[in-house]
Amino acid sequence: DSGVTQTPKHLITATGQRVTLRCSPRSGDLSVYWYQQSLDQGLQFLIQYYNGEERAKGNILERFSAQQFPDLHSELNLSSLELGDSALYFCASSVGDRTPYEQYFGPGTRLTVT
Amino acid sequence: AQTVTQSQPEMSVQEAETVTLSCTYDTSESDYYLFWYKQPPSRQMILVIRQEAYKQQNATENRFSVNFQKAAKSFSLKISDSQLGDAAMYFCAYKLGAQKLVFGQGTRLTINP
Repeated sequence: DSGVTQTPKHLITATGQRVTLRCSPRSGDLSVYWYQQSLDQGLQFLIQYYNGEERAKGNILERFSAQQFPDLHSELNLSSLELGDSALYFCASSVGDRTPYEQYFGPGTRLTVT
Repeated sequence: AQTVTQSQPEMSVQEAETVTLSCTYDTSESDYYLFWYKQPPSRQMILVIRQEAYKQQNATENRFSVNFQKAAKSFSLKISDSQLGDAAMYFCAYKLGAQKLVFGQGTRLTINP
């Protein structure tokens, strides 16, 4: 158990809908990263937050947005869902944003868009 | 942009034997970090081993060791005495400071009993 929690574990929804994925980092970690894994592909970086502020953006679609709240949990919002958005979404956390600490991954949320 | 390449989509090994997974990367930086992550059927991402680029000594964690060749930009993972529980997807990843992880496409490892 990495100490990072993600809810829900599974999500099935229809095209055009909007969903919210939630992540709670390890106790004491201020940085949260979101990654997307489609099929048996490698993980693609979406976005990073540090202590409530956006730090870095990857190839995140405009239909996707995220935020990190004062209690440090983070949410990833996916809207106008398409079939191609079906994937495993991981959240990872680390202690800081200026130091090369390891990232610890949550169990992921499997999103299926039908 | 940094890229990570794993040229072996699939590998198999007999139980108790040794297997080496390959990884190459491209970067113009001199100070970075390399990782191997394991993803079993549960899909959990598990950190196996990490290597700091400034360290010449290869990292070792029990049965797992790496061969880090900085000039060649190569970072292979050796698994000794393979066990059935080692069966998984293995991802090589690169990280610059506290930035994002850049992953390779993965190698699926099968352990034959």
